[in-house]
Amino acid sequence: GAVVSQHPSWVICKSGTSVKIECRSLDFQATTMFWYRQFPKQSLMLMATSNEGSKATYEQGVEKDKFLINHASLTLSTLTVTSAHPEDSSFYICSAPDSDYGYTFGSGTRLTVV
Amino acid sequence: SQQGEEDPQALSIQEGENATMNCSYKTSINNLQWYRQNSGRGLVHLILIRSNEREKHSGRLRVTLDTSKKSSSLLITASRAADTASYFCATEITSGTYKYIFGTGTRLKVLA
Repeated sequence: GAVVSQHPSWVICKSGTSVKIECRSLDFQATTMFWYRQFPKQSLMLMATSNEGSKATYEQGVEKDKFLINHASLTLSTLTVTSAHPEDSSFYICSAPDSDYGYTFGSGTRLTVV
Repeated sequence: SQQGEEDPQALSIQEGENATMNCSYKTSINNLQWYRQNSGRGLVHLILIRSNEREKHSGRLRVTLDTSKKSSSLLITASRAADTASYFCATEITSGTYKYIFGTGTRLKVLA
């Protein structure tokens, strides 16, 4: 089946630094990628939708300048958390439409900002 | 905003018992999916039910959908300790967008 590879699985960074999370569709082309974040014991909240070759669409309340999304190719979308702070610590997951289920998830990235 | 509300928020049962989780949503949907998430990990797709379907089965899983009540249920029969996880419903609210909104989730604990 379709696979979305997400890296890194976990990352610890210092407050004020930036962190990049990558999601690659391995055996299909992902013209769209969805980015979610999840706080402990909570549900997934949609942050933004990235589209290959165009600007991402952000959900209400999500800071565009804080969470930079780039979708430069049909197989790669990246989320950069800029000037990370402890409150950005969370679990970030990407997903992309595929032909089987309509939706394949990455394995997630646990970000801890210290 | 959260589209789906799930209940119960947490459920603890003995191995071998059945577990039922419910999901209610607010707007019309194209389809609804159920996912499982083991602690701190990614999501595993369980089952998709389309808006014109009322019931689907997959192994020990049974999903129902009542569009008139805007609700769905997930039944896990003969539960096992390995079923311990969080379960989420996700609704596609506009056809063909693949934009899914997740419910609040149910934390299931199956005691051996």
